Amino acid sequence: DGGITQSPKYLFRKEGQNVTLSCEQNLNHDAMYWYRQDPGQGLRLIYYSQIVNDFQKGDIAEGYSVSREKKESFPLTVTSAQKNPTAFYLCASSMERGGYNEQFFGPGTRLTVL
Amino acid sequence: AQSVTQLGSHVSVSEGALVLLRCNYSSSVPPYLFWYVQYPNQGLQLLLKYTSAATLVKGINGFEAEFKKSETSFHLTKPSAHMSDAAEYFCAVSDWQNTGNQFYFGTGTSLTVIP
Repeated sequence: DGGITQSPKYLFRKEGQNVTLSCEQNLNHDAMYWYRQDPGQGLRLIYYSQIVNDFQKGDIAEGYSVSREKKESFPLTVTSAQKNPTAFYLCASSMERGGYNEQFFGPGTRLTVL
Repeated sequence: AQSVTQLGSHVSVSEGALVLLRCNYSSSVPPYLFWYVQYPNQGLQLLLKYTSAATLVKGINGFEAEFKKSETSFHLTKPSAHMSDAAEYFCAVSDWQNTGNQFYFGTGTSLTVIP
């Protein structure tokens, strides 16, 4: 089955640690996205990538980093510079061309800082 | 820049009653609009999308939405609510002209269905 997988589902981090969230898709989509979701704030874009080896900052990129070495994979690292990382993180993908293409979402990773 | 506003962060309806979730958009170009549903601790699932082919769009699970350019609205409706419709609903607009396919999401509406 085609889709997007995210791992782990739950992640606990101590303050000062970097953690990496995994996102893999087998939909052959060009574009991939990372969103952060907080209660009452909807989804906010962290980073996006429209092609391998290229990515752009979204609205809230500070304290996060990404890589796009393979078309299928778009991992997100939450660094110690992110002051309030506790949130629900969602990865998405879409066909790049045409704004009429919907984004497909993974099941999410809930990150909690202890 | 594109944006969407969802009026009403919480909506409650009785089972069998009409569901109406409101979404207004702001866009400097012809918009592409989307409605997604999210169940607790899950990702988002597409309900329907407007891509200019028809102003009345039918989606999954009996939902539909009507694009009204004069009102800059794209409200989501369902004639008869089911208990399984209880979830969070998000409206989104694609910023297709500037950044390829970046989406801007509303803050969401939590739907409660009362038995």
